Amino acid sequence: AQSVTQLGSHVSVSEGALVLLRCNYSSSVPPYLFWYVQYPNQGLQLLLKYTTGATLVKGINGFEAEFKKSETSFHLTKPSAHMSDAAEYFCVVTRGGSNYKLTFGKGTLLTVNP
Amino acid sequence: DGGITQSPKYLFRKEGQNVTLSCEQNLNHDAMYWYRQDPGQGLRLIYYSQIVNDFQKGDIAEGYSVSREKKESFPLTVTSAQKNPTAFYLCASSMEGLKTQYFGPGTRLLVL
Repeated sequence: AQSVTQLGSHVSVSEGALVLLRCNYSSSVPPYLFWYVQYPNQGLQLLLKYTTGATLVKGINGFEAEFKKSETSFHLTKPSAHMSDAAEYFCVVTRGGSNYKLTFGKGTLLTVNP
Repeated sequence: DGGITQSPKYLFRKEGQNVTLSCEQNLNHDAMYWYRQDPGQGLRLIYYSQIVNDFQKGDIAEGYSVSREKKESFPLTVTSAQKNPTAFYLCASSMEGLKTQYFGPGTRLLVL
């Protein structure tokens, strides 16, 4: 079984400040990890993903995440928040092989204050 | 442009009524999925299909039905047996053997 915990259902930052959204996972096998972003009343957009190889993954809109196996974490960061980053962010885990099932975290709502 | 379309954007259901949500993709993806999203609960898998004419139940399939007669289409029917249908429904698709799922814009279902 696999699970995802996103620490903090709501994170608030000032424009220009560091964004850090935390995600911890549990998986009995090497995981595939994703971050998706959702703007109000829209579908989910892929920000970045980790499958194998380099543990620091760069995504769209200046976001990046680091896979830390020893800490079972995949935290999402951005050096400088922009107003347009305000959205809900989902950390997602799945496992290798033919299993298609994704396990979603409950989401973190990011607010950016001017 | 390649992508996933869902219609309608908003759907209203009366008591005892079945309603069907449309999902179409032109990405030539083999697998398609339906998720339900409720506030504070993330996304939960309703049904998924890896190939035409085959589909499997997800975690919350009760009260829902699907069909996969064409590769590009995966409609979801919310039946009258689903007692709490008010939610945001998201369709997704992925390539065979790859894990990345791409999502449509969603349909919001409301009960009158």
